[in-house]
Amino acid sequence: GDSVTQMEGPVTLSEEAFLTINCTYTATGYPSLFWYVQYPGEGLQLLLKATKADDKGSNKGFEATYRKETTSFHLEKGSVQVSDSAVYFCALGGYNKLIFGAGTRLAVHP
Amino acid sequence: EAEVAQSPRYKITEKSQAVAFWCDPISGHATLYWYRQILGQGPELLVQFQDESVVDDSQLPKDRFSAERLKGVDSTLKIQPAELGDSAMYLCASKVAGEETQYFGPGTRLLVL
Repeated sequence: GDSVTQMEGPVTLSEEAFLTINCTYTATGYPSLFWYVQYPGEGLQLLLKATKADDKGSNKGFEATYRKETTSFHLEKGSVQVSDSAVYFCALGGYNKLIFGAGTRLAVHP
Repeated sequence: EAEVAQSPRYKITEKSQAVAFWCDPISGHATLYWYRQILGQGPELLVQFQDESVVDDSQLPKDRFSAERLKGVDSTLKIQPAELGDSAMYLCASKVAGEETQYFGPGTRLLVL
């Protein structure tokens, strides 16, 4: 069945460092891909999405490109802030359920 | 900005007791989901509603879990009896039918003792 694999965390960075969180997927069709972020004690917030191959989703300085040839949707940010500390979830889906990866915890220190 | 509402935010119960969670989706969102998120893992679907009808409950443990959305608006998820392994975050999400983006509520964190 469909699945999502994310790099294990935690990822610990200094403020202003470059961030990459790897995400690869297995899917039978052509799903949309999503990144959600979860701050401590809260629900999930949509960070960005891409609906077809080669699409780039972007929001708040974060970017991810839908790569069909490598079945990947890696999350990047050029300069992280302390406020970016959270758990990041990669997910695939469409008009029905979302399938999530296990999440990657990011800790940014000053 | 409209949000998905959930209550309670936190619930502590003893095993074998009954618990219930409530979700009020964003107005106009015909599709509603309940997900369970075990600590350290990603959310997994329990049940999906389209209006008042169940679309997918294949992963719902039906011997102890039940979900309803009687008027196609708000929804209740019940566990009876609760077991230790049910300790988790229960997330409700909603979306407009025919669109892909789901909007999540703040979740109910359940601890079963």
